[in-house]
Formats: sequence, structure tokens, C-alpha cells
Amino acid sequence: GQQVMQIPQYQHVQEGEDFTTYCNSSTTLSNIQWYKQRPGGHPVFLIQLVKSGEVKKQKRLTFQFGEAKKNSSLHITATQTTDVGTYFCAGPSGGSYIPTFGRGTSLIVHP
Amino acid sequence: NAGVTQTPKFQVLKTGQSMTLQCAQDMNHNSMYWYRQDPGMGLRLIYYSASEGTTDKGEVPNGYNVSRLNKREFSLRLESAAPSQTSVYFCASWGLAGGLNGELFFGEGSRLTVL
Repeated sequence: GQQVMQIPQYQHVQEGEDFTTYCNSSTTLSNIQWYKQRPGGHPVFLIQLVKSGEVKKQKRLTFQFGEAKKNSSLHITATQTTDVGTYFCAGPSGGSYIPTFGRGTSLIVHP
Repeated sequence: NAGVTQTPKFQVLKTGQSMTLQCAQDMNHNSMYWYRQDPGMGLRLIYYSASEGTTDKGEVPNGYNVSRLNKREFSLRLESAAPSQTSVYFCASWGLAGGLNGELFFGEGSRLTVL
């Protein structure tokens, strides 16, 4: 079945440094979604990318969808302590619309 | 709007005991899901219900049963709990949030410990 791989598993940064997490799928995705989960909280939808090569920005967050629609990345510029949490990518498996989640990247920001 | 509501938030069970996790959404969504989250494993789909009256297995269904009671409610039952079912369980519903594509709306989670 479809696999969604996400790296790194953990990332420690000093506040103000940049952060990137990468997501790779074993199959072509019709779309990819990103979610954020704060420590002790529940996943919250951030964004969805649909088009090949698409780039979307939300303030300091930049999301990219690869040309082949098999990979994606989330880049945070100048991290803040409020960015702490686990970031998940999710893509629909096969012909289904049901998202398969990557294992997530936990971001730890040191003040 | 409460969104997705799960109960209980915490539960401790002994091996072999049974329990039901309740989930309700007030967003009139058709699809509902149960995920479990274990450290380093991400979110794994247990069961889902594409619409009222239908349920299907996800990635890790063994040891669980579900009931889609009506459009609002989707419950998850552990008939004979095992320590391997110690996890955080999330219920979610799928719907549109003003855009063209859907997203998952999650409940706050139910932390289950099986001794």
C-alpha cells in the first residue's frame, strides 16, 4: 500500500533559525495536506496543495508540492517558540480520498 | 459550534476489560474516522465511515469494532482490551471549510491506558 515518509523525525533549533520538514510518497498524490499538533493537543489542518509545483505561503510558513506530486516540504523561516509541535503531512491513498499520514516531524525550539 | 467531541478524555483499563469511546460531530459531515497515535508512529487509521450506515476497516482494525449510530455519532469499541491498545485515540470528521477541498477536523483525543 501507499507509504508516506516524513523526515526528520525530530528537529531541535534555536529560536530564529529556519526549519524544514520533508514528505515523500511512494505513489503520486492527487493532493497533500499539512497538519500541526501542539504538545498535548490534536492535529489541526494547516493547508492543502493540489497542483504540481504549487507553492503556498502562510506568514513565515512556506509549503511546496513537488513537480511529480510525490513529495512536499514545509519550511518555517525564523522559528518562534509558538512553532513548537509536530507537523504531519497526509496524502490520499490510491483511489481513495482518505489521507494517509506521515509519522510527523517534531519541532523543538530553544529560546 | 463544538466541532468534534470525544469522551472520555482519559481511561485506564485492565487487560480483558471492554469499553467504548464515543465521538460526535455537529458539522453535518458525512465521513468520520478513528485514528490511533503512538509515539513515532504518526496517525494510523483504525476504522472509518464514509456515510451513515457504512463502516470500513482502516490500516489497524484488529481488536476494534465501530458503530455509526447516526450521522453525528461514531463510536469505537474495544471488546477485550490489550496492553498493545494503550494509545491516544482521535476521532475526526471530514468536511469542507470554505475552500474547494476537504480537511479533517479532529477531536481532542482520548488517552487510553491498558494495564
